[in-house]
Amino acid sequence: EAGVTQFPSHSVIEKGQTVTLRCDPISGHDNLYWYRRVMGKEIKFLLHFVKESKQDESGMPNNRFLAERTGGTYSTLKVQPAELEDSGVYFCASSQDESNSYNEQFFGPGTRLTVL
Amino acid sequence: RKEVEQDPGPFNVPEGATVAFNCTYSNSASQSFFWYRQDCRKEPKLLMSVYSSGNEDGRFTAQLNRASQYISLLIRDSKLSDSATYLCVVNWNSGYSTLTFGKGTMLLVSP
Repeated sequence: EAGVTQFPSHSVIEKGQTVTLRCDPISGHDNLYWYRRVMGKEIKFLLHFVKESKQDESGMPNNRFLAERTGGTYSTLKVQPAELEDSGVYFCASSQDESNSYNEQFFGPGTRLTVL
Repeated sequence: RKEVEQDPGPFNVPEGATVAFNCTYSNSASQSFFWYRQDCRKEPKLLMSVYSSGNEDGRFTAQLNRASQYISLLIRDSKLSDSATYLCVVNWNSGYSTLTFGKGTMLLVSP
């Protein structure tokens, strides 16, 4: 069974440009999460989708970040316009259901974003 | 502020050694607890969940102390392949998962 996939694996853009990251969760997983790790810091939660609905977007840093999950399958995270401090590794994770708080989240390989 | 604190290390140990990591968390209402492993430039992968009664998986033993708000991971008979960063992870919510990560503890196992 395929795991969580993310595209692209790396992206280098200039400040002010727009970048769109994509995440394909494990098939059948209703829950999809975005996390980010900036250099020297811990991995931080950005937001959580249940199917196509945003369950929790409390971790989104500001309105330059827009996440969508139309149709409840793959998700995109757009950064517009990108700033230097947006550089980091963006991870996507998915899980099957949330009836149990111990339900495992499976992480994708991440997208390494560099803003110059 | 909800935080998870870990000693960043690195912990340098020889093969066969026993090594222990601790982690503290700030939110006493935390619901579930995990240790994730992250290899260099890779994604985090679940190593083991941590339950109130403590649990063991082969060479790995995890303990939870809710009163003191700390979690531990013990690795026995260290292997070279155990070299990685170990992330202490806490879920604050009961209804769904919002994982809060520590910065991780780096382990280096040498021959």
